[in-house]
Amino acid sequence: GAVVSQHPSWVICKSGTSVKIECRSLDFQATTMFWYRQFPKKSLMLMATSNEGSKATYEQGVEKDKFLINHASLTLSTLTVTSAHPEDSSFYICSANSGGSNREEQFFGPGTRLTVL
Amino acid sequence: QKEVEQNSGPLSVPEGAIASLNCTYSDRGSQSFFWYRQYSGKSPELIMSIYSNGDKEDGRFTAQLNKASQYVSLLIRDSQPSDSATYLCAVNINSWGKFQFGAGTQVVVTP
Repeated sequence: GAVVSQHPSWVICKSGTSVKIECRSLDFQATTMFWYRQFPKKSLMLMATSNEGSKATYEQGVEKDKFLINHASLTLSTLTVTSAHPEDSSFYICSANSGGSNREEQFFGPGTRLTVL
Repeated sequence: QKEVEQNSGPLSVPEGAIASLNCTYSDRGSQSFFWYRQYSGKSPELIMSIYSNGDKEDGRFTAQLNKASQYVSLLIRDSQPSDSATYLCAVNINSWGKFQFGAGTQVVVTP
């Protein structure tokens, strides 16, 4: 149980284009989803917390107009990187939990590797 | 700023030995603690969760929690080359399940 999928697993795009990444919980309802990015040999950096039916809460320094998050249902959250530039190239990972309590484990998707040319 | 500290390593461990990983956290009110394993180029996978003081064992893994000392550790017994990875300590910091992650400890198990 507790499987989270992401699509696509990797994407290459041209500078200035937008890229949408989907995160789905396959066997549970995800009340809360989290979006992280990770640069090579660096730790996870939380970008935003996404609650179903409400606006995402962004971490300090993360541009909400550049990284659009939509948590449309209890099984789907999307991250859109708008007007992508080479510095946005990174490994983007989502995670989800099912209850929003302070005991809930986060289950991670496999990640999406974005390369912006 | 709530912080989670880990030694970055690498921690070199002979095959068959015990790997000992440590993690300290700053928020005394934290109640839930997690260990994740991350292989290079992959996303983190949950190894263990621990909520109460003391030890919790699962197979070759043992998590230890001491809330008074704000310290959580992970022991890996009979280390195997497949255990070579980065181990992330995570602490829950709010009611939505938001985590603060440590920077991770790289473990290298040598045959």
